[in-house]
Amino acid sequence: DTGVSQDPRHKITKRGQNVTFRCDPISEHNRLYWYRQTLGQGPEFLTYFQNEAQLEKSRLLSDRFSAERPKGSFSTLEIQRTEQGDSAMYLCASSEGANIEQFFGPGTRLTVL
Amino acid sequence: EDQVTQSPEALRLQEGESSSLNCSYTVSGLRGLFWYRQDPGKGPEFLFTLYSAGEEKEKERLKATLTKKESFLHITAPKPEDSATYLCAVEDSSASKIIFGSGTRLSIRP
Repeated sequence: DTGVSQDPRHKITKRGQNVTFRCDPISEHNRLYWYRQTLGQGPEFLTYFQNEAQLEKSRLLSDRFSAERPKGSFSTLEIQRTEQGDSAMYLCASSEGANIEQFFGPGTRLTVL
Repeated sequence: EDQVTQSPEALRLQEGESSSLNCSYTVSGLRGLFWYRQDPGKGPEFLFTLYSAGEEKEKERLKATLTKKESFLHITAPKPEDSATYLCAVEDSSASKIIFGSGTRLSIRP
């Protein structure tokens, strides 16, 4: 078990472009979470999946953001028409069953020019 | 509304100088309080979960305690490798998401 993995680790894009990030949770973890973290702040919740069902979305998640978790395994987070304010670290975490501890991946650092 | 406040924002200690980090929280019902360590450019690393007031957990030089309104992370005789940002977070019993504080940046001088 290698932990939560995220790809890519870094992404630089121009304003207006679309980007997609991937998260592979710890195997057999049925819950998967996406967070956004800006410099000097703690992670902010974006959305949460239990298996393939997206159960909760933050008000921070504008219509330009969409997340999927087909087949309840890996997840993708897509940002359309990126803006400079989208620059941040995007973190993925997973947890197992009734356990509430969340284990985080290394994050994807997004820079929008 | 759930809220987590950490203090101080930054703390510089000499190697071997023990201290405590504070996390004050407001939730309607606490499912769990978490402490994470985060190194620059990396994801948070899980340290502890505390479930109820009076509970304590230890790991190496770290000890976490919990009351009904706050948690403390005590660091005893720290070493330079303990330098990191320490994040506190809570999960409300009515939700499945974690609310994080802004963290305490801890720097240990050799």
